[in-house]
Amino acid sequence: EPEVTQTPSHQVTQMGQEVILRCVPISNHLYFYWYRQILGQKVEFLVSFYNNEISEKSEIFDDQFSVERPDGSNFTLKIRSTKLEDSAMYFCASSEGIAGGPNFGPGTRLTVL
Amino acid sequence: AQSVSQHNHHVILSEAASLELGCNYSYGGTVNLFWYVQYPGQHLQLLLKYFSGDPLVKGIKGFEAEFIKSKFSFNLRKPSVQWSDTAEYFCAVPGAGKSTFGDGTTLTVKP
Repeated sequence: EPEVTQTPSHQVTQMGQEVILRCVPISNHLYFYWYRQILGQKVEFLVSFYNNEISEKSEIFDDQFSVERPDGSNFTLKIRSTKLEDSAMYFCASSEGIAGGPNFGPGTRLTVL
Repeated sequence: AQSVSQHNHHVILSEAASLELGCNYSYGGTVNLFWYVQYPGQHLQLLLKYFSGDPLVKGIKGFEAEFIKSKFSFNLRKPSVQWSDTAEYFCAVPGAGKSTFGDGTTLTVKP
């Protein structure tokens, strides 16, 4: 069964540094998402992406965040200048349609020191 | 805007006990509902989903959920839990390109 994959599994960075989290969605899916889960808290929606543009984003997704689909398979989340509070598990997800429950990747644990 | 609430934050059961986790939603449009499970150290997995039709939906690993429109509920059930069901369970409602998750319920099953 096809799966969403994410790399790296764990990223440690210094505050103020830029990070790029990478995802390969399921190949025939059209909708891509990033969510995050701060330790001990709920899963929070960050952004959705369709047809090469952002379709919706949350308040969390400010100017420090950006997403890109640089080629036909990868979907990336960039944080320009990381803050301590960005430490979280970041999940990529994809879905065939807008209403379907997305398939989630295994997550990237981001630790900002 | 849609919202989801899960009443139970932490449930502790013995093996073979029956399980019911509550989920209530608030959404004005067409309702689709999901339950996800997150086993320790693993990623979110879809347990089951409701789109339309039979309000009683069956999922993986013996789980089921019943959509009760009049109560705005979509409770997750399992007649007999196992130690391996220890995990965090999230109710979610998708809409307009994003899913809104409940706070999650931690289930601990004692052997």
